[in-house]
This record gives sequence, C-alpha cells and structure tokens, in this order.
Amino acid sequence: DADVTQTPRNRITKTGKRIMLECSQTKGHDRMYWYRQDPGLGLRLIYYSFDVKDINKGEISDGYSVSRQAQAKFSLSLESAIPNQTALYFCATSAAGTNYNEQFFGPGTRLTVL
Amino acid sequence: SQQGEEDPQALSIQEGENATMNCSYKTSINNLQWYRQNSGRGLVHLILIRSNEREKHSGRLRVTLDTSKKSSSLLITASRAADTASYFCATDHTGANSKLTFGKGITLSVRP
Repeated sequence: DADVTQTPRNRITKTGKRIMLECSQTKGHDRMYWYRQDPGLGLRLIYYSFDVKDINKGEISDGYSVSRQAQAKFSLSLESAIPNQTALYFCATSAAGTNYNEQFFGPGTRLTVL
Repeated sequence: SQQGEEDPQALSIQEGENATMNCSYKTSINNLQWYRQNSGRGLVHLILIRSNEREKHSGRLRVTLDTSKKSSSLLITASRAADTASYFCATDHTGANSKLTFGKGITLSVRP
C-alpha cells in the first residue's frame, strides 16, 4: 500500500461548490503539507502542519482551509470553488526531528472547476 | 521570492548521453534537494545535499553545490528513456521553518 494516499484522484466540480480533498499517511510523520501545481509554475505551498494542533498558512492560502484530524490525516477544503483553482493538488509528509526535511508525496488529485 | 530557478526549462538528449540540469537560488540554505516527477504523478525525492557539502553521488546521479554562487547542478549519467520526467530543485532556506521552496522544474526527454 502507498505510504501517502489522496482521495479523490480526480474531481470535476462547478463554481461555488465546496470541495474537500483528503490525505492519509502511514509513514508516522508529524509534518504534512498541501501544494498545488500549475503548468509552468512549479509547486506552491498552500498550508502546512507540523503536528495535530499546528496549522500554518503557506504561500497561497486564500480560498483554502485545512483540517488536521489526526497525525495521519490532513484535509484541504475549497469553501467555494472557482475556475482558477483548477490544478493538480499534492499532499506531502516529512519527519520531524531531522535536519533534512525530505518530503514524501502522494499521487495527486486533479481538480477541475467549471 | 525565494523560489529556485532551474535551467534549462527543457532538455532533450539521446539515450546514453549525460544530462546536466542547473538550479540557482537567492538566499542562504540549509540544504538543497532534487525531486523527479513522472507525468501527472507525485514527486519522488532523488538526492539531498547539505550546505556544507560540495558534491554527492547516488547511482547515476551526481549533484554539486556552490554556495558562493548559490547554485547547484544535477548530472544524470548514461541516461535512459526511463529517465524522461520533470526534475525539480527544492531549497530548505535558513529560517524558513523547514518549508521547502520548489523551482518550476526542468522537463527532460531522453530519446531511445
């Protein structure tokens, strides 16, 4: 089984709808991240969490919210989806207590907002 | 922005040739990492080099770091068609609370 899983893998929705993307991990990592990837722009950090009670905004948090339900689960919500939120979304994890911050990525969720 | 910049944006080579990709950054780092992404898939960590290191090897990968020039290069030797992917450098900047900053990526095509 994959260490970092994301559901759904693909989603098409309409403008104004609320969408939740879910991420689960079995790596036992404390740190979790949400990124979006757009063609030609690389990965941009939306939110990150270093433990269950810690939530931090990233570079592009407007229009998004997150919930860290447990060490293993980190959900990303779009409260009212808009077309420019169409992108590929990745969850990632890393271990605390190291100096190296190697990140492990899920397979991604392709979101289309019509 | 602290975002790293990769160079070139796209690279096409013949199988068996070496591929060299470059990354530059603006502010001091704790470490620099290279990731690979196959089309539409998640990123996979390839190699990490710490700020006090100058060169590291892993299999066919060789990464160098020049902190005075704020640049790194990734060399893939004896490339294979299966190396076709996008490659990203990611920088762990000093004082950035362990967040990584990713570049825009380099698209490598290896022709059989």
